[in-house]
Amino acid sequence: QVQLQESGPGLVKPSGTLSLTCAVSGGSISSNNWWSWVRQPPGKGLEWIGEIYHSGSTNYNPSLKSRVTISLDKSKNQFSLKLSSVTAADTAVYYCARDFRDSSSKTDAFDIWGQGTMVTVSS
Amino acid sequence: DIQMTQSPSSVSASVGDRVTITCRASQDISSWLAWYQQKPGKAPNLLIYAASSLQSGVPSRFSGSGSGTDFTLTISSLQPEDFATYYCQQANSFPLTFGQGTRLEIK
Repeated sequence: QVQLQESGPGLVKPSGTLSLTCAVSGGSISSNNWWSWVRQPPGKGLEWIGEIYHSGSTNYNPSLKSRVTISLDKSKNQFSLKLSSVTAADTAVYYCARDFRDSSSKTDAFDIWGQGTMVTVSS
Repeated sequence: DIQMTQSPSSVSASVGDRVTITCRASQDISSWLAWYQQKPGKAPNLLIYAASSLQSGVPSRFSGSGSGTDFTLTISSLQPEDFATYYCQQANSFPLTFGQGTRLEIK
């Protein structure tokens, strides 16, 4: 079955760039799914960051759009997140997730998640 | 952005109880709604999609209903493993947004 695994630095300096990768195993990143990033600050709720399709099309949360880039590498079957100009407010657990979407049945949900990776912004 | 408001924010219940959690959208989202369960230190787990469809492998004691702006998640008979935080999420329009969560605690 499809599994997702996040990786990247756990500590990023303020004003720096947060970079994470999500490796997809057990399936192809070129399947008919969108691939998303979701984050969760400590003790708080979930925030959708953005998504990418295998064609390279992306959608971003406007609240983060000026700082976010999501890309994919089909040869490595993985997709990535870059968040620039980070502050302490960007400290969170970052999850990658598969977004299963089917307009005919009004289905759009995150059916597979990575385990999450904690990123702390601190000097 | 579409705001999702869950109630209650927390609830205490006992094993065997029937529990209902409500999610209200700030505008009509048709049936573009999902429910997730999250346990401490774990990723969310999809329970319900399209407002009322049960995700494969999820026990049948979980059910979802509603359309438009008002939705409910019902657990018919609480089991010990159900004590967790539950989130609703709308997918009608971007940005995708979640409710603030409902913490289900043991009474």
